[in-house]
Amino acid sequence: GQQLNQSPQSMFIQEGEDVSMNCTSSSIFNTWLWYKQEPGEGPVLLIALYKAGELTSNGRLTAQFGITRKDSFLNISASIPSDVGIYFCAGRRKGGGADGLTFGKGTHLIIQP
Amino acid sequence: DTEVTQTPKHLVMGMTNKKSLKCEQHMGHRAMYWYKQKAKKPPELMFVYSYEKLSINESVPSRFSPECPNSSLLNLHLHALQPEDSALYLCASSQPGQGIYEQYFGPGTRLTVT
Repeated sequence: GQQLNQSPQSMFIQEGEDVSMNCTSSSIFNTWLWYKQEPGEGPVLLIALYKAGELTSNGRLTAQFGITRKDSFLNISASIPSDVGIYFCAGRRKGGGADGLTFGKGTHLIIQP
Repeated sequence: DTEVTQTPKHLVMGMTNKKSLKCEQHMGHRAMYWYKQKAKKPPELMFVYSYEKLSINESVPSRFSPECPNSSLLNLHLHALQPEDSALYLCASSQPGQGIYEQYFGPGTRLTVT
């Protein structure tokens, strides 16, 4: 099946630092979504990307849809303690209608005091 | 309102029990999904319902039986589960077509099979 390679697997950073994570695939996706999940909760949608080259921001978060349609990245600026969690990229395969998402393995963000 | 609700939040069941997980959304979405998530792993797709019809079954064992009674409700019936089925079960919904494919997740049901 299709796989998404997400890196890094985990990040240990200081509060105030900027964060960058990315996802790559060997297949083309026509939608990229970024989610955050906290313990005991479901994933929460952060940003949705639909066009190659698209750059979208949501507060301190910025995400881009790669030109080749095979990658995407997420940046978080000036991290704060509530940014802690697992960040997942998810891609939707080409085609119409309802379709499941393929998820990356996640980036576990840990903020050290 | 982008809320998907799931009940129960926690469920413990024996291998001979029959139980059901419930999911509800009031966003007018016509696609609903079940995902399974093991600890520290990404969600894995199980079933997709589009316009109340099962459109995708990702080779899930028959001890999991989905049901979509109407456009707002999605159930997952469980029977004769195994301990390895213990996981977080997530429901999601989206609006198919119209070029919008954002999926919104519920908080999940934490299932433990003893």
